[in-house]
Amino acid sequence: EVKLVESGGGLVQPGRSLKLSCAASGFSFNDYWMGWVRQAPGKGLEWIGEINQDSSTINYTPSLKDKFTISRDNAQNTLYLQMSKLGSEDTAIYYCARAGTGHWGQGVMVTVSS
Amino acid sequence: DIVMTQGALPNPVPSGESASITCQSSKSLLHSNGKTYLNWYLQRPGQSPQLLIYWMSTRASGVSDRFSGSGSGTDFTLKISSVEAEDVGVYYCQQFLEYPRTFGGGTKLELK
Repeated sequence: EVKLVESGGGLVQPGRSLKLSCAASGFSFNDYWMGWVRQAPGKGLEWIGEINQDSSTINYTPSLKDKFTISRDNAQNTLYLQMSKLGSEDTAIYYCARAGTGHWGQGVMVTVSS
Repeated sequence: DIVMTQGALPNPVPSGESASITCQSSKSLLHSNGKTYLNWYLQRPGQSPQLLIYWMSTRASGVSDRFSGSGSGTDFTLKISSVEAEDVGVYYCQQFLEYPRTFGGGTKLELK
C-alpha cells in the first residue's frame, strides 16, 4: 500500500524557516516524481512544485520559487520542503503527493503567527 | 500560467439526481499525442483530495462508474450520475500539461 506521511509542521513565527518531511513507503520511491501542494484554511489547492527521480529537475510555481526548496533523499525514502521567510500567507495544510498517480498524504498544518 | 476556471453548482443537489461540474482552461490541454492533460479530484470534508479522473476521461482505480469526464481542449465536464451522500465535498480540476500545474478554484457539492 502506498503511504505518504508528512511531518514537521506546527506554529512558526513570521520571518522564520521550517522544513517539512514526507516519509514514503509501499512503493519504489526512487521511481517517481514527487511533489507538494498546499491549502490555506477554507481555500483551494495551490500547487507548490515537483522534483524528479534523481533531483536533477525541480519545478516550482513562480511565486514560491525564491522561498521554497524541494529536495529528496532516495536512500531514506523521504521528500522535503524547506520553507524560508514565512509569512501569514503561508499558513496552510501542506500535502505531499506522488506525482501523476493520485496518491497524497494526509497533510501537515503549518501556522505562521507571532 | 494556465488559468483553470470552474463553474458553480445549483446547490443543494437532490439525492439521486445527476450533477455536472464545468471547468475551463485558458489554453488547450490537448497534446499532440492525442491525450488531454486534465485531472479531476474530490476533496471530502476533512480529507485529502482523491483523484477521480485523469486524461480528462479515464477513471482512477476504484472510482465509481457514476463519475465520468468529458470535454474538448479547453472546456471540460465532470458528470456525477445519481448523486449520493459520499459525493459531498469540493471538486477540483487540474491541468498537468505545463508547469506550473494549476488547479481550478473548486466547486462545492451539497446534498439535499
